Amino acid sequence: KAGVTQTPRYLIKTRGQQVTLSCSPISGHRSVSWYQQTPGQGLQFLFEYFSETQRNKGNFPGRFSGRQFSNSRSEMNVSTLELGDSALYLCASSFLGTGENSPLHFGNGTRLTVT
Amino acid sequence: GDSVTQMEGPVTLSEEAFLTINCTYTATGYPSLFWYVQYPGEGLQLLLKATKADDKGSNKGFEATYRKETTSFHLEKGSVQVSDSAVYFCALSDLRSGNLIFGKGTKLSVKP
Repeated sequence: KAGVTQTPRYLIKTRGQQVTLSCSPISGHRSVSWYQQTPGQGLQFLFEYFSETQRNKGNFPGRFSGRQFSNSRSEMNVSTLELGDSALYLCASSFLGTGENSPLHFGNGTRLTVT
Repeated sequence: GDSVTQMEGPVTLSEEAFLTINCTYTATGYPSLFWYVQYPGEGLQLLLKATKADDKGSNKGFEATYRKETTSFHLEKGSVQVSDSAVYFCALSDLRSGNLIFGKGTKLSVKP
């Protein structure tokens, strides 16, 4: 069974630009969550999508948005990039979502660098 | 709100040494508790979990026991290997949202 696939692996953008990250979950998984990982703040929850609906959202500004498609693939968008958005963005999928105690399976992440 | 506190690293051990990584949590109610591991250049992998008090999670020689009275979930391994070098994250499931709240991570380096 293929794991969670995130593309691209690396991105370099300049301040003010926007970026879209992609995540393909494990086949059959309907929940996709996004996390931001930085050395200072650690892992912070961005949002979770389940069956194309945003089910939960973390404390991030509106510049961070996402969506999920009917095949469960998800995209995350960050507009008006700031230097502080430089981070590893991790996507995780699960069958039902962590609220149902179904384990998260993480992708290898997209490393975003904002210059 | 709910939170997880892990011992700060890095932790450096010799091969076959005993490992303990401390983790305590603050939560309303009784969340599920997890340990995840992140190898260099990779995402996180679930190492073990416990869903109720006194449960012991175990995997690959690692163990952790859900201690309600001390609100702790310390990770232990009797004999570490070089291949165990990684960053270890303690996490709990937020009972309200179901999402995971992670500790800051503890980097473990095992020397031959």
